[in-house]
Amino acid sequence: AQSVAQPEDQVNVAEGNPLTVKCTYSVSGNPYLFWYVQYPNRGLQFLLKYITGDNLVKGSYGFEAEFNKSQTSFHLKKPSALVSDSALYFCAVRETYNQGGKLIFGQGTELSVKP
Amino acid sequence: SAVISQKPSRDICQRGTSLTIQCQVDSQVTMMFWYRQQPGQSLTLIATANQGSEATYESGFVIDKFPISRPNLTFSTLTVSNMSPEDSSIYLCSVSLRGATNEKLFFGSGTQLSVL
Repeated sequence: AQSVAQPEDQVNVAEGNPLTVKCTYSVSGNPYLFWYVQYPNRGLQFLLKYITGDNLVKGSYGFEAEFNKSQTSFHLKKPSALVSDSALYFCAVRETYNQGGKLIFGQGTELSVKP
Repeated sequence: SAVISQKPSRDICQRGTSLTIQCQVDSQVTMMFWYRQQPGQSLTLIATANQGSEATYESGFVIDKFPISRPNLTFSTLTVSNMSPEDSSIYLCSVSLRGATNEKLFFGSGTQLSVL
């Protein structure tokens, strides 16, 4: 069965420092991996995804994620954190790429960036 | 892209009553998804709403408790029936838009439900 784990409930980072939000996955076939962000009082927003190709994926708001097949990880990164990056981040894996394939989400990681 | 209007944004309900959540999309989509986000837990898919056919429910969710309507390609409703405090959660609708080389999921702003 497919599953996603985000081992950290909360990540605290000082503004300007690099940030990493961790995600590991388990799938039987090729994974299709996603990161979403949820700002307070707003719906989830798409950040980036990995389907195939380069292991380093660049997304919105300066975020990037690195797909590591051997470690079954898809960690979200940003070189320099902003206070406005403070939000809830969800990693997700899709069972199939066919339309209708459901997303399985990790439990979420709350990112707090302090000035 | 897609703009999803979801309402109500929040509600406080009495035990035993029902609440219907509406989701309106600004473009036609084949499938709409309903998720639940319980406090401190991850998003869980409730069901997939297909236009013209019955919704497909995930394990642990049944139509009697969460009836879904999908009258057309831009609208869906989720009803939380006979509510109990355990139903207190955020409910989200979502759509998938697939282009020639890309696909994205878009989410509504969510409905925060509190059951007393």
